[in-house]
Amino acid sequence: LAKTTQPISMDSYEGQEVNITCSHNNIATNDYITWYQQFPSQGPRFIIQGYKTKVTNEVASLFIPADRKSSTLSLPRVSLSDTAVYYCLVGAPNYGGSQGNLIFGKGTKLSVKP
Amino acid sequence: NAGVTQTPKFRVLKTGQSMTLLCAQDMNHEYMYWYRQDPGMGLRLIHYSVGEGTTAKGEVPDGYNVSRLKKQNFLLGLESAAPSQTSVYFCASSYGEGNQEDTQYFGPGTRLTVL
Repeated sequence: LAKTTQPISMDSYEGQEVNITCSHNNIATNDYITWYQQFPSQGPRFIIQGYKTKVTNEVASLFIPADRKSSTLSLPRVSLSDTAVYYCLVGAPNYGGSQGNLIFGKGTKLSVKP
Repeated sequence: NAGVTQTPKFRVLKTGQSMTLLCAQDMNHEYMYWYRQDPGMGLRLIHYSVGEGTTAKGEVPDGYNVSRLKKQNFLLGLESAAPSQTSVYFCASSYGEGNQEDTQYFGPGTRLTVL
């Protein structure tokens, strides 16, 4: 399984850009990188997924270097409502990847202050 | 579409009692999962299923059983509840085979307390 390492917590202020980096040194060739967001008392929610280079959607951007040993979730201009726990997962059992996409870890607790 | 629903939302049990948690999804997903989340912890996989009639153990399967008799339902059973099983339980589903992204969709959770 591709083990991931991410900061336990981060603080930011409203309007700032937040970058959360995840390390996954033993990522497998077929593994995808997926980020989830979890608010208190709710189930995790999918944010973004990528395989290489850069992916952008209406919520975030995901930057993946060529060696794919790390990835960075970028949240532009955060607001108080972005305060949540963010999980980085690596895996893709369907296409020969590992089952790391089922390992959530403790995630990164992002606190956005006014 | 309702997505993933869980029944019940809350439950209090006494040690030794049994109960079943129901998860239902209306997205025609092949894969379904049961996780538990304890305070300050991430989610830990209990059991999962890659299709109707199949089940497999996850990271923390002891003390739980599961069944997937219908594609849209995934049941989690506790035969003899223990205080260590006090937790919030989340069910999830994903498209499975044929979909290389395989992102998971989660239910709202069931808060279980075992006294």
